[in-house]
Amino acid sequence: GENVEQHPSTLSVQEGDSAVIKCTYSDSASNYFPWYKQELGKRPQLIIDIRSNVGEKKDQRIAVTLNKTAKHFSLHITETQPEDSAVYFCAASSGGGSNYKLTFGKGTLLTVNP
Amino acid sequence: ETGVTQSPTHLIKTRGQQVTLRCSSQSGHNTVSWYQQALGQGPQFIFQYYREEENGRGNFPPRFSGLQFPNYSSELNVNALELDDSALYLCASSGGPQRYEQYFGPGTRLTVT
Repeated sequence: GENVEQHPSTLSVQEGDSAVIKCTYSDSASNYFPWYKQELGKRPQLIIDIRSNVGEKKDQRIAVTLNKTAKHFSLHITETQPEDSAVYFCAASSGGGSNYKLTFGKGTLLTVNP
Repeated sequence: ETGVTQSPTHLIKTRGQQVTLRCSSQSGHNTVSWYQQALGQGPQFIFQYYREEENGRGNFPPRFSGLQFPNYSSELNVNALELDDSALYLCASSGGPQRYEQYFGPGTRLTVT
């Protein structure tokens, strides 16, 4: 089955700096890659996603890049703010139709220091 | 548009007991997936329901079972609870216009003693 590795497990940056989180996946059939943000005691929140027919997607300060050949994808957050502090999870899915089982990485704890 | 809801919020059970967790999907969504999130880990896929049928299952034993109702709400049942079943149980709904996007509920925190 699919295996998703996520690095780093913890990341500390100064406010205003950029943060990058990287994930690799094993199943070459995976075609959908979402990123979730989970604050302490809250639900995972979908923040951005990318499909395998796209190499990069951007939404304001957040961007995701995908390299299908190398089977890795990354989350980039620019101009970080203290409210960006949370655990971020990457996930991969090889489903089709209505079947999109997500396999998650173990998460990255991002701390943005004011 | 209403979001995904789950009940109860917290639950404490004894080893060997049975538990039922509930999830109401977001309006316009016909698919519910269940995940188990252990402390400090990413969510792990349990199973998915689409139009009242199981539509994929993760590496969980048969004592984890589920149902989906005609209104697309869903239940997760766990029999013969074990201590390792203590976790946050999340459901996610999907199947709207962007059918691959999954939106999570707040979760049910299950503690097995």
